Amino acid sequence: QPMLTQSSSASASLGSSVKLTCTLSTGHSTYPFAWHQHRPGKAPRFLMKFDSTGSYTKKSGVPDRFSGSNSGADHYLTISNLQSEDEADYYCQTWDGDTWVFGGGTKVTVL
Amino acid sequence: EEHLAESGGGVVRPGGSLKLSCAASGFRFDDYGMSWVRQTPGKRLEWVSAINWNGANTAYADSMKGRFTISRDNAKNSLYLEMNNLRAEDTALYYCAREGSDLWGQGTLVTVFS
Repeated sequence: QPMLTQSSSASASLGSSVKLTCTLSTGHSTYPFAWHQHRPGKAPRFLMKFDSTGSYTKKSGVPDRFSGSNSGADHYLTISNLQSEDEADYYCQTWDGDTWVFGGGTKVTVL
Repeated sequence: EEHLAESGGGVVRPGGSLKLSCAASGFRFDDYGMSWVRQTPGKRLEWVSAINWNGANTAYADSMKGRFTISRDNAKNSLYLEMNNLRAEDTALYYCAREGSDLWGQGTLVTVFS
C-alpha cells in the first residue's frame, strides 16, 4: 500500500508564498494524487487532483493562488499571496483501489 | 449547491453500537460511489469504508472489517455506517465523502468512552 509523507508544519508571512511537499512511497510515484484543505470546524475542502494525464486539475472555486506541481514522487502545493484564511491543515491523498490513503497533514500558520 | 451532512454521532461505551447517516443534496447521489473517512484526535485522516453507486460492492479498512457495515439508500439520497463492537480507538470525527474525494461533509463526532 502506498504511503505519503508530509512535513508537520510550515509558516509564512501574510502576502508571501509557502510551498508544501508530499512524497509518495517508493514504487508508487505514478499513483493519482490530491490536495485538501481543512480548517477547524469546517468540512475538508478538495483543492486539486493530479491524475494519469500528468496534470493538476483544480476544483471550481479554488483561488488561483493555489497551484500544484510535481517532480517524480514529490508533489507540491504552493500557496501564493498567503491570506489569513489560508491558515489550515493541508492533507495530501492518494488512492489504492478502493482505499484512500492520506498523509499526516501539514499545519500552515500565517504570520 | 452540492452538500453532504452527517448525523448520528454520540458517546457510547466500549462494545456499543452507533449508526451514522449522511444526507446528500445538490447532486445526483446515485451517480457516485461514497466513502466514510475518520479523523482521529491526533488529526490523522483514516479511510474507513467505501460503497459503489448501487451498493453492490463495498470495501473496508482492515480494522473495521466485521464490525462496521456501510450501506446506502439512493431513494433517500442517504449513506449509512453501522458501527458495532466499538472500541476506544474508534473515537473520531467521521466524515462522509464523495467518490473522488471532491466533496466532504462537516463530520459527526463519535466518542467511545467508558
